[in-house]
Amino acid sequence: KAGVTQTPRYLIKTRGQQVTLSCSPISGHRSVSWYQQTPGQGLQFLFEYFSETQRNKGNFPGRFSGRQFSNSRSEMNVSTLELGDSALYLCASSFTRDTSYGYTFGSGTRLTVV
Amino acid sequence: QKEVEQDPGPLSVPEGAIVSLNCTYSNSAFQYFMWYRQYSRKGPELLMYTYSSGNKEDGRFTAQVDKSSKYISLFIRDSQPSDSATYLCAMRRDTDKLIFGTGTRLQVFP
Repeated sequence: KAGVTQTPRYLIKTRGQQVTLSCSPISGHRSVSWYQQTPGQGLQFLFEYFSETQRNKGNFPGRFSGRQFSNSRSEMNVSTLELGDSALYLCASSFTRDTSYGYTFGSGTRLTVV
Repeated sequence: QKEVEQDPGPLSVPEGAIVSLNCTYSNSAFQYFMWYRQYSRKGPELLMYTYSSGNKEDGRFTAQVDKSSKYISLFIRDSQPSDSATYLCAMRRDTDKLIFGTGTRLQVFP
């Protein structure tokens, strides 16, 4: 079966611009979480959506936002990009919010802000 | 102090060696413990999942959780060059967010 699909794979943006990243979860998965991965900080939790509702939010500024659609696909948006937003953005999906099912990650979107 | 601490390595071992990877944590409420493997330019993939304390074995991999010491381990037996990757521990309580360690880079040389 198809895995978690993230688009685009690579992105270069200029400081001050905004960007939207997309995540299509595994078919039937209703929970989608987003993480930012950087060499210094590792994986940092951004937010989790389940049934189109944000269930958890990490400690990121309001420039980071997300949403989930009725088909469970999710997008995250970063406005007013800063150089420090350069990172690998990972999306993970799971069948429910029950931890026993674990997460399946996509390959990520590598964002470079110049 | 981070909630989850993990030695970044790199850890370099010869093929066939037993590898021990470890994480410590500070939040005693964590109940679910996982190990993920991440190859270069890929997303993390779930290797092992453990609920509460105890051991779990899957092929060459063994995960151990010691909640009294707030310490978790992953052992890899008969390590192979294909095991070369970054290993991430992760944990959470209930349906809260999954907290990751920063990852340990492992290199297995032939």
